[in-house]
Amino acid sequence: AQKITQTQPGMFVQEKEAVTLDCTYDTSDPSYGLFWYKQPSSGEMIFLIYQGSYDQQNATEGRYSLNFQKARKSANLVISASQLGDSAMYFCAMREGANSKLTFGKGITLSVRP
Amino acid sequence: DTAVSQTPKYLVTQMGNDKSIKCEQNLGHDTMYWYKQDSKKFLKIMFSYNNKELIINETVPNRFSPKSPDKAHLNLHINSLELGDSAVYFCASSPRGSYNSPLHFGNGTRLTVT
Repeated sequence: AQKITQTQPGMFVQEKEAVTLDCTYDTSDPSYGLFWYKQPSSGEMIFLIYQGSYDQQNATEGRYSLNFQKARKSANLVISASQLGDSAMYFCAMREGANSKLTFGKGITLSVRP
Repeated sequence: DTAVSQTPKYLVTQMGNDKSIKCEQNLGHDTMYWYKQDSKKFLKIMFSYNNKELIINETVPNRFSPKSPDKAHLNLHINSLELGDSAVYFCASSPRGSYNSPLHFGNGTRLTVT
């Protein structure tokens, strides 16, 4: 079974609007972390935001927030006030337990329209 | 000041050759990783080292051999290169045993085998 599922096809958003990128995960480990990374066309992997399984509140980092619904096993990324520079591929990922690898979803391409 | 640096950025070579990719991190992390990103942008872990000890080896052909001379360096040597090895290879690091820590990625090495 896939650990991280990102099923949206390419997403489009108008500049200055908000957009939600979906991510669902599967784990039986009570200790896990959920991460979002951005990969622009230049290719580097940029860490955006983290949510821990024991965190009571949704994580926020500037224009990025994570809508964490533990019972539904979803960790959606919300980008507010989209900018042209937000056009990129976005990956959801998870680490489970200690000494663990980061397992990625297949990614979502976001295009911001002027 | 680059946290995780890998060289070279581009590598073009012929089938059957042997090549190496070098990676160094100055973050003081104990754990380092090699990931492969294929043509569909899917990221998959290959290896992980924790303080010079191999802890993850994900069904990678034994033509791929990682080497960690110290905890700040993790190199990847590839023997008898094949067309299917063409991909982007990312080095990454994180603190040891922390599911709540993001991986910090290098900028990637684009390997093209002709």
